[in-house]
Amino acid sequence: DGGITQSPKYLFRKEGQNVTLSCEQNLNHDAMYWYRQDPGQGLRLIYYSQIVNDFQKGDIAEGYSVSREKKESFPLTVTSAQKNPTAFYLCASSIMGRTLQETQYFGPGTRLLVL
Amino acid sequence: AQKVTQAQTEISVVEKEDVTLDCVYETRDTTYYLFWYKQPPSGELVFLIRRNSFDEQNEISGRYSWNFQKSTSSFNFTITASQVVDSAVYFCALKRYLNAGGTSYGKLTFGQGTILTVHP
Repeated sequence: DGGITQSPKYLFRKEGQNVTLSCEQNLNHDAMYWYRQDPGQGLRLIYYSQIVNDFQKGDIAEGYSVSREKKESFPLTVTSAQKNPTAFYLCASSIMGRTLQETQYFGPGTRLLVL
Repeated sequence: AQKVTQAQTEISVVEKEDVTLDCVYETRDTTYYLFWYKQPPSGELVFLIRRNSFDEQNEISGRYSWNFQKSTSSFNFTITASQVVDSAVYFCALKRYLNAGGTSYGKLTFGQGTILTVHP
């Protein structure tokens, strides 16, 4: 089955700890995205990548880092610099990032909680 | 600035009622796309429809229909004869070109979402 997988489903972070959220897709999409969702709010873009070995900051990149070493993988690290990391994190992908008509498809999400 | 407003935070209906979810957007761009996504309790966003700024034809897909009116910058979504399985959060989103880092890409801006609860 083609799709986007995210793991883990739930993640707990201790103070001062970095944690990494996994996102994998087998849709052969070039572009991948990370969004953050807080209660009662829409999705906000953290980082995006249009191609392997390239990525750009979104609207709320502070306290986060990413890598794109493989086409199918786009892991997100929530660093200790992110003071309010509790949120629902969604990964998405699209065929390319440069055209407007392409649809972004989303993974099932990871819920991050701070202990 | 680009903005998407879904003024209805929560809507509650009884099964078989029709319900309309409002979406109003702001952009100075002439070329853009509009999207609707559904987020069921499982959390994954499910794509429902996209519409480009030059196509104001209404769309119907089963019990779902969409009304795009450029004159009022609105892209409203109607569910006819609602069912319990329609209970979810619905997001409207605007996609436009954004130049960043020397390249352009299509950026999605989401509304705050409308929580729809359909009671049996």
